[in-house]
Amino acid sequence: ETGVTQSPTHLIKTRGQQVTLRCSSQSGHNTVSWYQQALGQGPQFIFQYYREEENGRGNFPPRFSGLQFPNYSSELNVNALELDDSALYLCASSWGGRRYNEQFFGPGTRLTVL
Amino acid sequence: AQTVTQSQPEMSVQEAETVTLSCTYDTSESDYYLFWYKQPPSRQMILVIRQEAYKQQNATENRFSVNFQKAAKSFSLKISDSQLGDAAMYFCAYRSPNNNDMRFGAGTRLTVKP
Repeated sequence: ETGVTQSPTHLIKTRGQQVTLRCSSQSGHNTVSWYQQALGQGPQFIFQYYREEENGRGNFPPRFSGLQFPNYSSELNVNALELDDSALYLCASSWGGRRYNEQFFGPGTRLTVL
Repeated sequence: AQTVTQSQPEMSVQEAETVTLSCTYDTSESDYYLFWYKQPPSRQMILVIRQEAYKQQNATENRFSVNFQKAAKSFSLKISDSQLGDAAMYFCAYRSPNNNDMRFGAGTRLTVKP
């Protein structure tokens, strides 16, 4: 059974650029959630995708967008990067959308915005 | 909105001793889920233990147990027989069954001294 993977591991961008982060969900999972974890803080929910549709969104601006593919992998896109977007971005996969199921986290992508 | 508070930014424990990490939360819901996650330096979040609010019995997983006090909105984690591998950031998290927004506390950094 393959766990949740994320790419890239680290990324450095400059303010105003755009970035795409990728997440491969665990085998058998159809739901992916994205979180932003600023340094020294707990993760904050960005949004969730269930069966290729957005299924809930946290308090993040529209320049944070996502996509889920038929194989249930997912992308997080951030446009017009700001310095405060520097953080660890975690994705978590699960099965079942709104119903409770354990979320399995990936190792994260560390984004630095200069 | 639900909030999760971890009042201990750092804790330390001697190897083989017991330590308790505190967590309180604020909610108006009667049904919800609570979690403790461990985040080692590798950054990958690992589920330690979970509790369904409708269950009065405290959850236990090997050396990890919780003290769930629903009326007090308190959810502490007890680690018995602490091991060096327990050193990590520990996050308390709340999830409503009605949405996908998992709320995390700011975390407690646990150090285990040999």
